[in-house]
Amino acid sequence: GQNIDQPTEMTATEGAIVQINCTYQTSGFNGLFWYQQHAGEAPTFLSYNVLDGLEEKGRFSSFLSRSKGYSYLLLKELQMKDSASYLCAVPDSGAGSYQLTFGKGTKLSVIP
Amino acid sequence: DTEVTQTPKHLVMGMTNKKSLKCEQHMGHRAMYWYKQKAKKPPELMFVYSYEKLSINESVPSRFSPECPNSSLLNLHLHALQPEDSALYLCASSQGSGTPYEQYFGPGTRLTVT
Repeated sequence: GQNIDQPTEMTATEGAIVQINCTYQTSGFNGLFWYQQHAGEAPTFLSYNVLDGLEEKGRFSSFLSRSKGYSYLLLKELQMKDSASYLCAVPDSGAGSYQLTFGKGTKLSVIP
Repeated sequence: DTEVTQTPKHLVMGMTNKKSLKCEQHMGHRAMYWYKQKAKKPPELMFVYSYEKLSINESVPSRFSPECPNSSLLNLHLHALQPEDSALYLCASSQGSGTPYEQYFGPGTRLTVT
């Protein structure tokens, strides 16, 4: 089974840096996804990590440590539009198909 | 074209109605998914189609009936729903299913059951 844990809510100031953590326990590891979801909208893909280390993509970076069952999403130069829920998700292999199990999501509020 | 479209955007139905949700993608993806999302909760997987065949059914009640007419289309037929079925229904697609490819989500159908 899959168990994913992330903070429920975070608040940060515009222009600052924020780190959203995710810990997971899985029966087999097939990488970890981060998605962003604005209220009332669909989730959009941010990153996929399968190897240890930091991957940078513009203002967003994602880090993975497989030995620690830990990932984080780093958002730099925060903008008001970054206010959203950030979902950590791990794929679980079953019946020849990979299904995503999502964490409960971290609601980030960016304040002026 | 990296878009997944869903219709309708909003749907209100009574408990005795029959309705269908539609999803379409033209990215050549071979895996398509239905998720249900309640307010302030993460998406929950309902069904997975891989190469137009149902590969996963997450113990969803039979009042939800999926259909994949071809590789671009996915339907969800609804019948005799309950008020607790009110939620955002998301469709997603991915390149395949044999590797954890990223999933592209549609905008969702906001369903209200009265």
